[in-house]
Amino acid sequence: IQMTQSPSSLSASVGDRVTITCRASQSISSYLNWYQQRPGKAPRLLIYTTSNLQNGVPSRFSGSGSGTDFTLTINSLQPEDFATYYCQQSYHTPPYTFGQGTKLEMK
Amino acid sequence: EVQLVQSGGGLVQPGRSLRLACVASGFRFDDFAMHWIRQGPGNGLEWVSSITWNGGSTGYADSVKGRFTISRDNAKNSLYLQMDSLRTEDSAFYFCVKDRTHLIEVASSYFDPWGQGTLVTVSS
Repeated sequence: IQMTQSPSSLSASVGDRVTITCRASQSISSYLNWYQQRPGKAPRLLIYTTSNLQNGVPSRFSGSGSGTDFTLTINSLQPEDFATYYCQQSYHTPPYTFGQGTKLEMK
Repeated sequence: EVQLVQSGGGLVQPGRSLRLACVASGFRFDDFAMHWIRQGPGNGLEWVSSITWNGGSTGYADSVKGRFTISRDNAKNSLYLQMDSLRTEDSAFYFCVKDRTHLIEVASSYFDPWGQGTLVTVSS
């Protein structure tokens, strides 16, 4: 399964609302997870199974989609949200596959 | 607090071996499957290998199959990755990661938390 994220990079400002898209090469039902990686840090789980917020993740993060098309939305961007975001499918494994990442930069 | 503390990275010549280790704390280690995931310099994330809660089943990416071996010692709360016949393209940060469930290849699986990462550099 190929996972394709768009855009590959994105410039935004604090307070903006941003959306990142992830497309699977075939249906993965709702088994899509999102991770955030800040520079020099390990990835961190944000959302699992399309729309479930991991404990401790702010409610400005949300996820939606099904089948092949999924989105991660961040409302009211905060300075700590500027990072790289990855989607990952767990439906057709092995292998577990990730998107190539979306780098969210400050405008 | 759930923690995964990694060790064992470093610089190694092509064709040589290296063993990574990961010690878990803050949760019942033998209740969960574990994984290794790597990230090449400036690159994205690549799943490397998985192991079930009891070590009874494992999985490998095609890129490492036959060269890498994942194992665990539940008595020591430890996960290992034995890397043999290393290639320059194996150079990456390697992360030890906990699964949601005790099995591998489960649709509802996800990776949380991640260890701090350890750098493996394969170069002559």
